[in-house]
Amino acid sequence: DVKVTQSSRYLVKRTGEKVFLECVQDMDHENMFWYRQDPGLGLRLIYFSYDVKMKEKGDIPEGYSVSREKKERFSLILESASTNQTSMYLCASSLRGATYEQYFGPGTRLTVT
Amino acid sequence: SQQGEEDPQALSIQEGENATMNCSYKTSINNLQWYRQNSGRGLVHLILIRSNEREKHSGRLRVTLDTSKKSSSLLITASRAADTASYFCATDADMTTDSWGKLQFGAGTQVVVTP
Repeated sequence: DVKVTQSSRYLVKRTGEKVFLECVQDMDHENMFWYRQDPGLGLRLIYFSYDVKMKEKGDIPEGYSVSREKKERFSLILESASTNQTSMYLCASSLRGATYEQYFGPGTRLTVT
Repeated sequence: SQQGEEDPQALSIQEGENATMNCSYKTSINNLQWYRQNSGRGLVHLILIRSNEREKHSGRLRVTLDTSKKSSSLLITASRAADTASYFCATDADMTTDSWGKLQFGAGTQVVVTP
């Protein structure tokens, strides 16, 4: 079974802190994605990566950066956390191509105070 | 921006009833996918229907696709309390980069099935 794990289920950080969210997948997928989910807004893509060291901005990249040094690991970085980044963060992975499903991690609920 | 929009936003039914939700999208697609999310969890893929398919079944799920109307529907038959979840449609976002597998998700339909 495909497994996507995220480093934390719940995280509380202070405004201005640098925050790292990690995601690891074990199925050798080329694509990895970071989304944030807010009530009534569905999932919005922050960044995705289609290969090691490759990344592409999604719909809402402002305030975020990403790192993919190894194929199985995709990190989301909040350089200076702000309260409007309080959200549920979901990581996903998939094979490369339009007709493949995405596999999701359990999510990290981040609260910035 | 959201490609897919689900309707209704919320649905409350009793066990044994059928649940139908719809998804409309704006631009041409290669495929449309449906996902389920249990409260506070990640999404789970349910079914994928390609643009050249009109109907697809998986267990108690039936999905239809009408590309002329740019819409899809998900039917859950004989619903159970365990079907309580949010359901999302997702479409491949960019035809020119379809090899990358990006998806755009709607805001979801929240389904509550009461015993």
